[in-house]
Amino acid sequence: AQSVTQPDIHITVSEGASLELRCNYSYGATPYLFWYVQSPGQGLQLLLKYFSGDTLVQGIKGFEAEFKRSQSSFNLRKPSVHWSDAAEYFCAVGTNTGGFKTIFGAGTRLFVKA
Amino acid sequence: EPEVTQTPSHQVTQMGQEVILRCVPISNHLYFYWYRQILGQKVEFLVSFYNNEISEKSEIFDDQFSVERPDGSNFTLKIRSTKLEDSAMYFCAGTAVGETQYFGPGTRLLVL
Repeated sequence: AQSVTQPDIHITVSEGASLELRCNYSYGATPYLFWYVQSPGQGLQLLLKYFSGDTLVQGIKGFEAEFKRSQSSFNLRKPSVHWSDAAEYFCAVGTNTGGFKTIFGAGTRLFVKA
Repeated sequence: EPEVTQTPSHQVTQMGQEVILRCVPISNHLYFYWYRQILGQKVEFLVSFYNNEISEKSEIFDDQFSVERPDGSNFTLKIRSTKLEDSAMYFCAGTAVGETQYFGPGTRLLVL
């Protein structure tokens, strides 16, 4: 069965520091991979996506993610975190078996300290 | 850029009442979805809808839930008799063939 694991429930980083959020997936075929961000009480905003091609994908707000098939990972990175990046981050895999749907990880809450 | 819209943004209802959550997908989208997020938990798939019928549903989507697209525009989720545990944020989403799902801003449902 398809699944997404985000091993870190929450992470705290200092403003200006680098960030890496981990994501591992389980999916039999080539996955469609996504990172979404959600501010408290808000909807889901797509940060970036991977369908095929270059395994390092660039997203909005200075985020990037790298697809590593051998590790079944799709970690999100940002070189310098801003206070406004504090939010919940969801890794997700899109499946195309019997219809396309998105399976989400449990999320990682990012706290940014001054 | 076109967006998925949802109404209402918030709804409070009494247990046992029927609620209808509405979504207007992006015009060229063909597949439509509802997801649920209970407070503090992850986003869960409820149902997908294509060509005016349900293509897949999760175990959460029991007989109390129904979906329809009555006028080719609005895509609705109906909960016939709400329970306390139905309190959640409900997200509508849509996609064209083989593309990313675009999510609406959500409707926060509170069942008292």
